Amino acid sequence: AQTVTQSQPEMSVQEAETVTLSCTYDTSESDYYLFWYKQPPSRQMILVIRQEAYKQQNATENRFSVNFQKAAKSFSLKISDSQLGDAAMYFCAYRNYGGSQGNLIFGKGTKLSVKP
Amino acid sequence: EPEVTQTPSHQVTQMGQEVILRCVPISNHLYFYWYRQILGQKVEFLVSFYNNEISEKSEIFDDQFSVERPDGSNFTLKIRSTKLEDSAMYFCASTAGGPGQYFGPGTRLTVT
Repeated sequence: AQTVTQSQPEMSVQEAETVTLSCTYDTSESDYYLFWYKQPPSRQMILVIRQEAYKQQNATENRFSVNFQKAAKSFSLKISDSQLGDAAMYFCAYRNYGGSQGNLIFGKGTKLSVKP
Repeated sequence: EPEVTQTPSHQVTQMGQEVILRCVPISNHLYFYWYRQILGQKVEFLVSFYNNEISEKSEIFDDQFSVERPDGSNFTLKIRSTKLEDSAMYFCASTAGGPGQYFGPGTRLTVT
């Protein structure tokens, strides 16, 4: 069974600085998807960024980018120019590639605080 | 921008009562999901639904749970006889077929 591990329960960053959140996963599949979701205090789950395992290029969405290391099964999220609105829980998630019905498997999350 | 909606935002019920949580997925989406998140814990998959039937379900989704798409827009999760441990946030998600799932704002269920 696939698992997702986030080893940092909490992280803190100064406003305008850069922070990296770690995620590792375990799977025997060669094709899959990886995601980062943001959960602010409202508890809404917001899709931040996704990566297809077959793509070598790291995904980027504005200030958010990932460092995908397939051999190491590592998928970290880098937030540049951190803003107060980035404060939230961040969940790493995995999904098998086959079919469109695959469910997401989440890590336990990292609580990010942004200091003004 | 279209979004997934869920009602109610907060439901309080007594142990043993039945509850129905409602979701309206994004209109052109075909795949629907329910997840739950016990306070302070990770989000866990409950069930996926496609073409008017369950595609996959987790161990959590036992006989107390059922899902239904009663019309062309709503997607419901029913818990027949609630237990204290059912207290959690319940999230509905949907996708048109792509890998990214779009989540609703959640329903907070409190069982007393």
